[in-house]
Amino acid sequence: GEDVEQSLFLSVREGDSSVINCTYTDSSSTYLYWYKQEPGAGLQLLTYIFSNMDMKQDQRLTVLLNKKDKHLSLRIADTQTGDSAIYFCAERANDYKLSFGAGTTVTVRA
Amino acid sequence: NAGVMQNPRHLVRRRGQEARLRCSPMKGHSHVYWYRQLPEEGLKFMVYLQKENIIDESGMPKERFSAEFPKEGPSILRIQQVVRGDSAAYFCASSPTGGRNTEAFFGQGTRLTVV
Repeated sequence: GEDVEQSLFLSVREGDSSVINCTYTDSSSTYLYWYKQEPGAGLQLLTYIFSNMDMKQDQRLTVLLNKKDKHLSLRIADTQTGDSAIYFCAERANDYKLSFGAGTTVTVRA
Repeated sequence: NAGVMQNPRHLVRRRGQEARLRCSPMKGHSHVYWYRQLPEEGLKFMVYLQKENIIDESGMPKERFSAEFPKEGPSILRIQQVVRGDSAAYFCASSPTGGRNTEAFFGQGTRLTVV
């Protein structure tokens, strides 16, 4: 199957860490992605992780992958107001097709 | 190098009309993908095209929907006789090649509203 699930909303205080969680079903996935969508904009690729890795860090972003549980998370350190957006988890189901979750709306409050 | 350009950004159609959505890929990109996002859902794959060829249209509804990517000009997603259920955001992405290691770049989307 190609179902990707994630919680719909997350509210976080400015300066705190945000953690967005995602589960997927396709055990053959080789790449997993996090995209960011700001209001009225397209999808921006934030980061991705290859399935033989369990962690990837890129500045304020940390991706954790638990392949056994098919669980992916994105941690944003020192969350800023500019991080308010919808975050999509996606898996690459085959060479070209991406399967997306419904998106987590992150709201950063002062 | 401009990004993936989609137009129009917003499109309103009455039931029964036709909707034409355009996507100009990034320069040098010959692979185009269309996705549809229904309200409160994730993006769903519709179709994958290379220049003048449809590679995979497994996500396209069998009726009323068609896509093309001609040798010259943008890719077009065409929806005939639109119904309310077609209201959604339609995203186009492009890549220079196909394959697992290729990043796809997304446009800003066309938001179609059927009234």
